[in-house]
Amino acid sequence: DAGVIQSPRHEVTEMGQEVTLRCKPISGHNSLFWYRQTMMRGLELLIYFNNNVPIDDSGMPEDRFSAKMPNASFSTLKIQPSEPRDSAVYFCASRTTDTQYFGPGTRLTVL
Amino acid sequence: ILNVEQSPQSLHVQEGDSTNFTCSFPSSNFYALHWYRWETAKSPEALFVMTLNGDEKKKGRISATLNTKEGYSYLYIKGSQPEDSATYLCAFKNNNAGNMLTFGGGTRLMVKP
Repeated sequence: DAGVIQSPRHEVTEMGQEVTLRCKPISGHNSLFWYRQTMMRGLELLIYFNNNVPIDDSGMPEDRFSAKMPNASFSTLKIQPSEPRDSAVYFCASRTTDTQYFGPGTRLTVL
Repeated sequence: ILNVEQSPQSLHVQEGDSTNFTCSFPSSNFYALHWYRWETAKSPEALFVMTLNGDEKKKGRISATLNTKEGYSYLYIKGSQPEDSATYLCAFKNNNAGNMLTFGGGTRLMVKP
């Protein structure tokens, strides 16, 4: 298995633009997580899905952030409009019953 | 809000030194404690998942112990090597959290040759 796949790996955009981050979990994993990593706050959980259903989105910073999981093999995290303070590394992770596996992350820079 | 704390925040050791650091977590409703190794510019890599009080896990020169009654876990590295330099994260899961993990702030280990 290729592991958790995220795209793009790097994104540089201007303030106000829409940003879409993509994640493909490991096949057979029924939970998917979106995290954000910043120097100030470390690794924060934004939202997680069980069997494609959003379970807890209390970590989503504000209405500009939204996440979807239309099927078991794909999820998106969208930021609209983006702001400079959204600059961070965004990780997707998936798990089945035990270990959680992280994707390589998307480094987002909002100018 | 679950409080998961790691200490120290950072650690510098010489190659060959053995070292250890701590993860503390709430002792009630314990379900599992995870350890991850996170190298710069890479994604966190799972080391151990520990579920039982008194658990000891080992992977090469790295080992971990778990005390769920008092709410702490130790990670030990024997004979540190420069390639052990990374941030070590612990993550706690309780019975009420569904599949959510709460991460500690990490311990950044730097091993000097």
